[in-house]
Amino acid sequence: DTGVSQDPRHKITKRGQNVTFRCDPISEHNRLYWYRQTLGQGPEFLTYFQNEAQLEKSRLLSDRFSAERPKGSFSTLEIQRTEQGDSAMYLCASSPSSGRSYNEQFFGPGTRLTVL
Amino acid sequence: DQQVKQNSPSLSVQEGRISILNCDYTNSMFDYFLWYKKYPAEGPTFLISISSIKDKNEDGRFTVFLNKSAKHLSLHIVPSQPGDSAVYFCAATGNTDKLIFGTGTRLQVFP
Repeated sequence: DTGVSQDPRHKITKRGQNVTFRCDPISEHNRLYWYRQTLGQGPEFLTYFQNEAQLEKSRLLSDRFSAERPKGSFSTLEIQRTEQGDSAMYLCASSPSSGRSYNEQFFGPGTRLTVL
Repeated sequence: DQQVKQNSPSLSVQEGRISILNCDYTNSMFDYFLWYKKYPAEGPTFLISISSIKDKNEDGRFTVFLNKSAKHLSLHIVPSQPGDSAVYFCAATGNTDKLIFGTGTRLQVFP
């Protein structure tokens, strides 16, 4: 399968702990996005990378959140000192930067975070 | 400020009939629109898209219509099948690369 993969699929943690999620994009895609989805809402943009450069961050991404994409391949999203309000599905997507599909983002299965 | 709105949270359609899902947007800078389908516990799956230079795009049973003057788009599924039962999200993008999503419409296709 050559789609977007995310790990772990589920994460349960206690308030105050740090968590890290990983995303592996489609191999030929150089743009990578993180979104967050809560119950009853559509996905909300958090941040995105073109290769290793982080080009945009949403104001939803507080100081407790940090994302990296070393070497322009996989990406990690870390949440420090988790709060119950961080409980959500964290989605990763990738897209090419040119060509017919460059506006189409392909999503992974998501990581469901539950903060107790 | 909800820039992309899906005002119908749910829709129920009989198998074989047409399903019409609607979406409204407020930002005139949006120039590309997409529909995604989502099953529980999975990520959204890209379905069909349309550029603002077109008013219709068709792919098999799925057709998207865009009315720029009304800032409205719709997704038509004909004929509807039980496997189409899912949550459908409308999304838009413009001069930035991020997608702005609506809140989704849950489609149920019954036999």
